[in-house]
Amino acid sequence: EVQLVESGGGLVQPGGSLRLSCVASGFTFSSYEMNWVRQAPGKGLEWVSYISSSGNTKYYANSVKGRFTSSRDNAKNSLYLQMNSLRVEDTAVYYCARDSGYDGDAFDIWGQGTRVTVSS
Amino acid sequence: DIQMTQSPSSLSASTGDRVTITCQASQDITNYLNWYQQKPGKAPKLLIYDASNLETGVPSRFSGSGSGTDFTFTISSLQPEDIATYYCQQYDTLPLFGGGTKVEIK
Repeated sequence: EVQLVESGGGLVQPGGSLRLSCVASGFTFSSYEMNWVRQAPGKGLEWVSYISSSGNTKYYANSVKGRFTSSRDNAKNSLYLQMNSLRVEDTAVYYCARDSGYDGDAFDIWGQGTRVTVSS
Repeated sequence: DIQMTQSPSSLSASTGDRVTITCQASQDITNYLNWYQQKPGKAPKLLIYDASNLETGVPSRFSGSGSGTDFTFTISSLQPEDIATYYCQQYDTLPLFGGGTKVEIK
């Protein structure tokens, strides 16, 4: 079964750090570009980060640039999001999502999400 | 930066009704437009990719059309299990989601 499973969420104080993980199974992880998408409570979807299949190319939303870093370990079928200098507004459910490779780069496989709460 | 305007933000319709949601881009994105369904407490699910292609396993009552700046998502006959929030997403440069449309049963 093709699957993504996130972990690492939790409660953290403003200014703190957290590292999210996403483990892939059921497909050749190293062949796919990957993304992080988040959803604040009661709000819509917000794209956060992109990483190429090799890990050499990364893009970030302006709201997290300079604070979040995406990485991957293809040998471990794993994607990571290092989140530093966390703010209250980073509170959200964070999803990892596979880039389908279609022309429009739709996200065809999603994890179940991991909740991050930034609060004092 | 490209802006995406999705409308309406919510709608209420009866079982069997035809439901239409629109998404407008601020500049030409050719057909780089995707549609997702999200049920409460669940991850989004891809329904339509590249504006008009039905993802494998998705019921044929869902469809998409459009190109350039104007796109439409249609449910031909609304079913109770279609109650969800629907999002458009463009990927011309960096990904951007529309604001979402919450669909309820009247």
